[in-house]
Amino acid sequence: GQNIDQPTEMTATEGAIVQINCTYQTSGFNGLFWYQQHAGEAPTFLSYNVLDGLEEKGRFSSFLSRSKGYSYLLLKELQMKDSASYLCAVRDSNYQLIWGAGTKLIIKP
Amino acid sequence: ETGVTQTPRHLVMGMTNKKSLKCEQHLGHNAMYWYKQSAKKPLELMFVYSLEERVENNSVPSRFSPECPNSSHLFLHLHTLQPEDSALYLCASSQVPSSSYEQYFGPGTRLTVT
Repeated sequence: GQNIDQPTEMTATEGAIVQINCTYQTSGFNGLFWYQQHAGEAPTFLSYNVLDGLEEKGRFSSFLSRSKGYSYLLLKELQMKDSASYLCAVRDSNYQLIWGAGTKLIIKP
Repeated sequence: ETGVTQTPRHLVMGMTNKKSLKCEQHLGHNAMYWYKQSAKKPLELMFVYSLEERVENNSVPSRFSPECPNSSHLFLHLHTLQPEDSALYLCASSQVPSSSYEQYFGPGTRLTVT
């Protein structure tokens, strides 16, 4: 079967750095997405990786290793507004998105 | 209006009611999706419409019936639902094919079945 694993919840301190991991087993691979979802709101796109390596976008970076079936989202200089759920999703060989259950990130002052 | 809009934002219905959820996208996309989001579970893809034709239904119960009259509008018709159908229903759209097939989501309809 297809599976996406990510931690259920993480806690970090304002101003610090946090890394949210995602591992996947899917039938084929056509890209990995990270989305942010604030409570009661729509998921919003953060990043897309299809090749190995690090993609940096401001305070957020996303890393992919296809051989290891592994990705992480790195958030730097954490702000209170970064408190949200972070969803990892992989597009399989049929170009359908397989979603993880999300990681709830709690930022403390 | 911009992006993807959904109405209503909240809905409470009894098990014998019939209701419809509406989604509209203002992005010029050609594919639309219905997802179910339950607490602490992955997003569940229910239906996909690409170029107004349904391409995926993932064995969703027949009490959920989608309708896509054009590329901008998507409906989810609900009838004789069960309490376990209570969830957040999200609509999304994307352009296919594209470099990333990124999906844009609406704010969702919070459905409670009593």
